Amino acid sequence: GEDVEQSLFLSVREGDSSVINCTYTDSSSTYLYWYKQEPGAGLQLLTYIFSNMDMKQDQRLTVLLNKKDKHLSLRIADTQTGDSAIYFCAESEGDKLIFGTGTRLQVFP
Amino acid sequence: DAGVIQSPRHEVTEMGQEVTLRCKPISGHNSLFWYRQTMMRGLELLIYFNNNVPIDDSGMPEDRFSAKMPNASFSTLKIQPSEPRDSAVYFCASSPSGGADQPQHFGDGTRLSIL
Repeated sequence: GEDVEQSLFLSVREGDSSVINCTYTDSSSTYLYWYKQEPGAGLQLLTYIFSNMDMKQDQRLTVLLNKKDKHLSLRIADTQTGDSAIYFCAESEGDKLIFGTGTRLQVFP
Repeated sequence: DAGVIQSPRHEVTEMGQEVTLRCKPISGHNSLFWYRQTMMRGLELLIYFNNNVPIDDSGMPEDRFSAKMPNASFSTLKIQPSEPRDSAVYFCASSPSGGADQPQHFGDGTRLSIL
């Protein structure tokens, strides 16, 4: 079956850039997503990218997609303490989303 | 704008009891998804509906779990009888049409503890 993998933890200093990586298996996925989950809350959609795109930028967020390697990354520029959360990537499978395990981002002063 | 609304936010009950979780999707959204989140298994899709009709329930763990969507603005997920291993956070999400280009919007979840 489809599998989405992420590293579990990332720790960065405030003001630095964060890069969260994800690999997926379904080459037919048409959309790939990044969600953010803060403690005690649901998943909040951050951004998504269509599979025929290589890059998408939205303010401090940059998504890079390498379809050949099935690799997706999320770069957060000028990381702030408010960015501390769990970040999930997800691939589309028809109407469904297959989520990764999530990467816990910790931002320290 | 009101997002996806789930109730209760927290539920603590003894094993063997019936548990009912509730969800109100975003108005106008035609697809509704139930997820379970645990440390061990991450985020799992349990079941989803399009236009109130269950489309895929392959993620429902066993017969103790059932879900209904009697109308476009309400869905329930029921566990009967409940067991300690059902303890998890249960999320409901909705999307306009369920297609891959229609992002899912999540509720804040129900944290369920079965003693």
